[in-house]
Amino acid sequence: EVQLVQSGAEVKKPGESLKISCKGSGYSFTSYWIGWVRQMPGKGLEWMGIIYPGDSDTRYSPSFQGQVTISADKSISTAYLQWSSLKASDTAMYYCARGGGYYPTDAFDIWGQGTMVTVSS
Amino acid sequence: QSVLTQPPSASGTPGQRVTISCSGSSSNIGSNTVNWYQQLPGTAPKLLIYSNNQRPSGVPDRFSGSKSGTSASLAISGLQSEDEADYYCAAWDDSLNGQVFGGGTKLTVL
Repeated sequence: EVQLVQSGAEVKKPGESLKISCKGSGYSFTSYWIGWVRQMPGKGLEWMGIIYPGDSDTRYSPSFQGQVTISADKSISTAYLQWSSLKASDTAMYYCARGGGYYPTDAFDIWGQGTMVTVSS
Repeated sequence: QSVLTQPPSASGTPGQRVTISCSGSSSNIGSNTVNWYQQLPGTAPKLLIYSNNQRPSGVPDRFSGSKSGTSASLAISGLQSEDEADYYCAAWDDSLNGQVFGGGTKLTVL
């Protein structure tokens, strides 16, 4: 079964760092793009960026460029989303999702279960 | 403010046909394909329609998509109570070099 399993919920303080993960299984992890999507409480979906684990080609939304870092470790079929200094406004549910096999423009056909990040003093 | 524009809400009665619109521009819908996602309450989004009008395996044929120019629409026929969810359109934007989502439409089955 093709699936993406994300790390558990996090509660952090402003200014702290954080790295959440997304582990793929049931398919060739290096052959499909992995994207990250933010959903703030009660709000819609926002595309943050995408990475091709095969060669680490990474694209960011202008809204998130410089605010987060997307990476992947193909040896363990895991993608990451990290922050160096969290803000209260980073409180949201974060989803990883599998994209296409060649182009970053393709649809997300498999989604992780989501990781809730709460940032509060 | 989302790059793609959807109505915030839609509604229908069981068995009815409803449509949800998605308006964009030449840099997104006008030059790339449109995908639709369904998000049931408290769950992760699910791919409903890809490449404008293609259904992934397992998606009922009650769901259909279309695109014309810089707009797209999702149609749901034979509305069922389990269709009550948020629906999002999405497309690649060549100017932003990234994917953009619509603001989402909350569908209520009356």
